[in-house]
Amino acid sequence: GNSVTQMEGPVTLSEEAFLTINCTYTATGYPSLFWYVQYPGEGLQLLLKATKADDKGSNKGFEATYRKETTSFHLEKGSVQVSDSAVYFCALVDSSYKLIFGSGTRLLVRP
Amino acid sequence: GAVVSQHPSWVICKSGTSVKIECRSLDFQATTMFWYRQFPKQSLMLMATSNEGSKATYEQGVEKDKFLINHASLTLSTLTVTSAHPEDSSFYICSAPSGLAGDTQYFGPGTRLTVL
Repeated sequence: GNSVTQMEGPVTLSEEAFLTINCTYTATGYPSLFWYVQYPGEGLQLLLKATKADDKGSNKGFEATYRKETTSFHLEKGSVQVSDSAVYFCALVDSSYKLIFGSGTRLLVRP
Repeated sequence: GAVVSQHPSWVICKSGTSVKIECRSLDFQATTMFWYRQFPKQSLMLMATSNEGSKATYEQGVEKDKFLINHASLTLSTLTVTSAHPEDSSFYICSAPSGLAGDTQYFGPGTRLTVL
């Protein structure tokens, strides 16, 4: 079946550090892939997405590339800010439009 | 982007009472909506798929008589937690698919339910 695996958190970084959050998936076919972000006490916000192999999704300085060869969709940002502190979820959508989520990775950015 | 709202944002109720949570798509129509439950510091657990004009589809292990879902129109789905108990306390989030391929889901801000 479809599944998503994310690196365990929390990830603690200093401001302006480089961020990578690993995400790998198992799926039938080539589903669309997503990164969602959840700030404390809030719902999820779509951060970026990629719909096919080699697509790069980007938003607010975050990027992720759909890698078919390695079945990965790692999230990166060159210089994190304190305001990026949140929980990040990697996800794929199955044929029924259901989202399959990873376990989430908490990011804490210190000033 | 598409906007999904939820109401109320938080609710406290007594054990044994029922609570209704609304999920609305504000600027698009949604024949399908999804209801999730999230425990503290955990991922989202899909509870059910709400279908406009037909019965909801529940995930394995979710009590359909406990969590009543009604998709009244193309912009509104409701989740009613019946005879709530403290173990039902959780963060409930809805979502609706939109976008050209319908594969992007937009989430409501969530409803925090506390059952005393």
